[in-house]
Amino acid sequence: DTAVSQTPKYLVTQMGNDKSIKCEQNLGHDTMYWYKQDSKKFLKIMFSYNNKELIINETVPNRFSPKSPDKAHLNLHINSLELGDSAVYFCASSQSNRWSYNSPLHFGNGTRLTVT
Amino acid sequence: ELKVEQNPLFLSMQEGKNYTIYCNYSTTSDRLYWYRQDPGKSLESLFVLLSNGAVKQEGRLMASLDTKARLSTLHITAAVHDLSATYFCAVDIRYGNKLVFGAGTILRVKS
Repeated sequence: DTAVSQTPKYLVTQMGNDKSIKCEQNLGHDTMYWYKQDSKKFLKIMFSYNNKELIINETVPNRFSPKSPDKAHLNLHINSLELGDSAVYFCASSQSNRWSYNSPLHFGNGTRLTVT
Repeated sequence: ELKVEQNPLFLSMQEGKNYTIYCNYSTTSDRLYWYRQDPGKSLESLFVLLSNGAVKQEGRLMASLDTKARLSTLHITAAVHDLSATYFCAVDIRYGNKLVFGAGTILRVKS
């Protein structure tokens, strides 16, 4: 069984469109994340949710809107896509609190977004 | 703002050789992680280092953490081709809620 699954795996779309990426984890973790990996493989956190509550919102354009309907799901909606949004987006989860900080992040397989 | 620097960024080595990847970070933390990424794949957790002096070993890889020097190392012993991948260190500054990644080290092991 896949621990962190994201769909779709590939997403090719035109500038100006709106698209969504879905993520689900079956690990029972309480924290989920979106990371962006650019063409140079640099990974940067975008958002973090703990028990459906947004706790980290890095300097991401407000065209990006995460939604967490429950602690097992974290979706990412992107409005008015731009060329610079092309990247691989990774969902991840962990069990993260002061007493379980040793849990590493479990990553999904990534969604390769190409904006043309 | 936390900065995490890895070096080298690219490492080409012969099978059987030893080498070390370095990870320096700019602010206090005692939680550091190493990940491996194969081309086109996800990230796989290798090591979790939680205290000063922590050392973890798995096969030909050994990771250590010196929190006073703000330095972690990933040592490769007698490299084999299967170790070819990109290796990332990541520093945790908010009890697991925010990992800041280094730029990654691309390792190519040549036979």
